[in-house]
Amino acid sequence: DADVTQTPRNRITKTGKRIMLECSQTKGHDRMYWYRQDPGLGLRLIYYSFDVKDINKGEISDGYSVSRQAQAKFSLSLESAIPNQTALYFCATSDHLPGRGRTGELFFGEGSRLTVL
Amino acid sequence: AQKVTQAQTEISVVEKEDVTLDCVYETRDTTYYLFWYKQPPSGELVFLIRRNSFDEQNEISGRYSWNFQKSTSSFNFTITASQVVDSAVYFCALSEAVAAGNKLTFGGGTRVLVKP
Repeated sequence: DADVTQTPRNRITKTGKRIMLECSQTKGHDRMYWYRQDPGLGLRLIYYSFDVKDINKGEISDGYSVSRQAQAKFSLSLESAIPNQTALYFCATSDHLPGRGRTGELFFGEGSRLTVL
Repeated sequence: AQKVTQAQTEISVVEKEDVTLDCVYETRDTTYYLFWYKQPPSGELVFLIRRNSFDEQNEISGRYSWNFQKSTSSFNFTITASQVVDSAVYFCALSEAVAAGNKLTFGGGTRVLVKP
């Protein structure tokens, strides 16, 4: 089983609908992130959380909200989806700053492809 | 604000050719980390390397090598003797070390197509 699991993997929805993307991890990491990938733009940070009671906006948080239900779970919501939110969404985790014995890398889920018609 | 630029959007090579991917970054921090990730056609993101700002030694891992030059704010990636399995999108990313934690800022990616 994957260490970082995203559901659903694919979703097609209509403008104005509420959508939730869920992420769960078994790595025991405190830090979780939601990124959005668009062609030519790389990945852009939507929200991040350094622990259960910590939520922070990223570069492109407008139109999104998140919930950190537990250390292992971090969900992303689109309250009223619009077509320009069509993208590939990635959840990621990390343990801490890079340091002795740690690479500081992000561990990514397999992505959730969202299409808003 | 930090920024990562990958000027090459797509590179096409024939198998066994070498290919170099450019990455230029901007940051005001003196301590930071640079990463490369690979995204094969299957879509997952695969970590390749992390380099901290105090370590300018080049690194080689098999057919992969990285050239970090602080003077030019570049962290270039070379694939030697490319293979079809190297076909993927490659992302360079930057993380500021202190208050920002390890949020990554990504470049736009370079798509590498290796033809047999």
